[in-house]
Amino acid sequence: DQQVKQNSPSLSVQEGRISILNCDYTNSMFDYFLWYKKYPAEGPTFLISISSIKDKNEDGRFTVFLNKSAKHLSLHIVPSQPGDSAVYFCAARAGGTSYGKLTFGQGTILTVHP
Amino acid sequence: GAGVSQSPSNKVTEKGKDVELRCDPISGHTALYWYRQSLGQGLEFLIYFQGNSAPDKSGLPSDRFSAERTGGSVSTLTIQRTQQEDSAVYLCASSLYRGPIEAFFGQGTRLTVV
Repeated sequence: DQQVKQNSPSLSVQEGRISILNCDYTNSMFDYFLWYKKYPAEGPTFLISISSIKDKNEDGRFTVFLNKSAKHLSLHIVPSQPGDSAVYFCAARAGGTSYGKLTFGQGTILTVHP
Repeated sequence: GAGVSQSPSNKVTEKGKDVELRCDPISGHTALYWYRQSLGQGLEFLIYFQGNSAPDKSGLPSDRFSAERTGGSVSTLTIQRTQQEDSAVYLCASSLYRGPIEAFFGQGTRLTVV
């Protein structure tokens, strides 16, 4: 069962425009959500996170929005830059005994064209 | 070291052989995680260490997989009697605090079972 889903395998955006990456989840026990960026042959790099008690978190060009009622989160990158081209993973953590485990989506390949 | 270090970076092994994958976490990080990414898939949780103990090993796919951590630092993931479906990139991550918030990943070990 895929508890975290990224339904768009890829996204192509023009430099300077907004990139919006989406993620849906099914487990209502998730209390923390994270976004990672991954370049080929490298490990994922932490980007930004949000607690389930918030609906928005911003860090520079990156903003994450959380809609708990819809079990949906999104990552906005404004403005997009060619160096942002990478695979983006959303991940979620449940509380309780599963607090050490992140459940990842399948990833979305973002391509930013100059 | 400055980041999470994994060795070897690539490993090709024959089916049925045992392999050991090593992870050196960031100095001072108490939590350590193992994930794997099979071709075209998202990251799959394997095991989580807090110090030298593993509160959550629910992701280990079979009893051929085991992991240990010594001295609250280095961890070794061992796969016995490797099978072709074990081929994947095995990623290690560490974090300063309990739980994977803002975990930092290594570059991974690409395991190919032939």
